[in-house]
Amino acid sequence: GQQVMQIPQYQHVQEGEDFTTYCNSSTTLSNIQWYKQRPGGHPVFLIQLVKSGEVKKQKRLTFQFGEAKKNSSLHITATQTTDVGTYFCAGCPSGDSWGKLQFGAGTQVVVTP
Amino acid sequence: NAGVTQTPKFQVLKTGQSMTLQCAQDMNHNSMYWYRQDPGMGLRLIYYSASEGTTDKGEVPNGYNVSRLNKREFSLRLESAAPSQTSVYFCASSPREGRFPQHFGDGTRLSIL
Repeated sequence: GQQVMQIPQYQHVQEGEDFTTYCNSSTTLSNIQWYKQRPGGHPVFLIQLVKSGEVKKQKRLTFQFGEAKKNSSLHITATQTTDVGTYFCAGCPSGDSWGKLQFGAGTQVVVTP
Repeated sequence: NAGVTQTPKFQVLKTGQSMTLQCAQDMNHNSMYWYRQDPGMGLRLIYYSASEGTTDKGEVPNGYNVSRLNKREFSLRLESAAPSQTSVYFCASSPREGRFPQHFGDGTRLSIL
């Protein structure tokens, strides 16, 4: 079964608000990737984190990898309508860098103007 | 600069019919993947090919077969389609397995009546 869990499954945000979505693994991960899928589109790679405690920013998006490398978060500030979509996290079990990437079920984000 | 190309984009089948979904990538990637996406289930791996000449089962392989025709092409076959296989199918590729970003095609929307 799926070892990478994402919460919430669904997020309704007012334009201009901030929100955070979380990704939790039952096992230690060697890396975490985040993807965005626009409605009707395909997943598009956003970023990868590999170091414990790593934080990366892309404009209004902040990505964090937990100290224990078992969780990650995506924080979006001042949400815009262009942020609509489903955000997926994915990671490889630690010690298995050449293994299969495991995807979470995604957080679907709806933005109200 | 096509990336990952999937054909067809849409298809309607009757129960029991067979068909092959085609996927080709022009990025010289070694690894290729087939996923299905159903509402609330995220991306589930059907089959993957770590390199030319190899294929392996993913999380939900039953009812499907694959062929890695060459380095560029990876096809997915439904021998006897069932309504439970109604889904959106995505092909993806990456330089290697594991800690490499995956590049997705636009998807095939398949309905089985």
